[in-house]
Amino acid sequence: EVQLVESGGGLVQPGGSLRLSCAASGFTFSSSWMSWVRQGPGKGLEWVANIRPDGSKKNYVDSVKGRFTISRDNAKNSLYLQMNSLRAEDTAVYYCARDGSVTQFDCWGQGTLVTVSS
Amino acid sequence: DIQMTQSPSSLSASVGDRVTVTCRASQSIGSSLNWYQQKPGKAPKLLIYAASTLQSGVPSRFSGSGSGTDFTLTISSLQPEDFGTYYCQQTYSAPLSTFGPGTKVDIK
Repeated sequence: EVQLVESGGGLVQPGGSLRLSCAASGFTFSSSWMSWVRQGPGKGLEWVANIRPDGSKKNYVDSVKGRFTISRDNAKNSLYLQMNSLRAEDTAVYYCARDGSVTQFDCWGQGTLVTVSS
Repeated sequence: DIQMTQSPSSLSASVGDRVTVTCRASQSIGSSLNWYQQKPGKAPKLLIYAASTLQSGVPSRFSGSGSGTDFTLTISSLQPEDFGTYYCQQTYSAPLSTFGPGTKVDIK
């Protein structure tokens, strides 16, 4: 069974940092593009970042460039999102998702909530 | 950036009804359009990709059509479990893909 499980969310003060993790199983993680997608409270979906299977290329939405870093460890079947200089507007449920053959997100984790507040 | 709009923003329909949700892109995106269903408190689920290809395991009452700027998601016979919010997503400008604002579907 294809499965993605996120962890690492929580409450953090503005300007603080947090590292999210996503554990993958049931598919060949090392061959898959992976993404982070977020959803603010009561809001729609926003793609945040993605990473090539070998980790050599990373892409980010403009609003997180320079603050967030996506990475992966294929030996551990794990995806990460390092979030620095957090802002209130980063408050959201963060999902990890597998990118399919035409960039569709065909598998999603259950999400982890990040709350940025003083 | 490519902007996505959806209509209606919400609808209420009866079991057995034919339901149509429309998605429009601010510029031509070919067939680079996906549809997702999200239920409250759950992750989105992929229904349709490349405008009209049904994701494995998704019931055949769901179908997608369109190309260019105008797309449609159709539920041929609405079932009780089809409640939720439906999002379209363009991947023409991938990796910067963008989602529509969503259409909330309620069962009467």
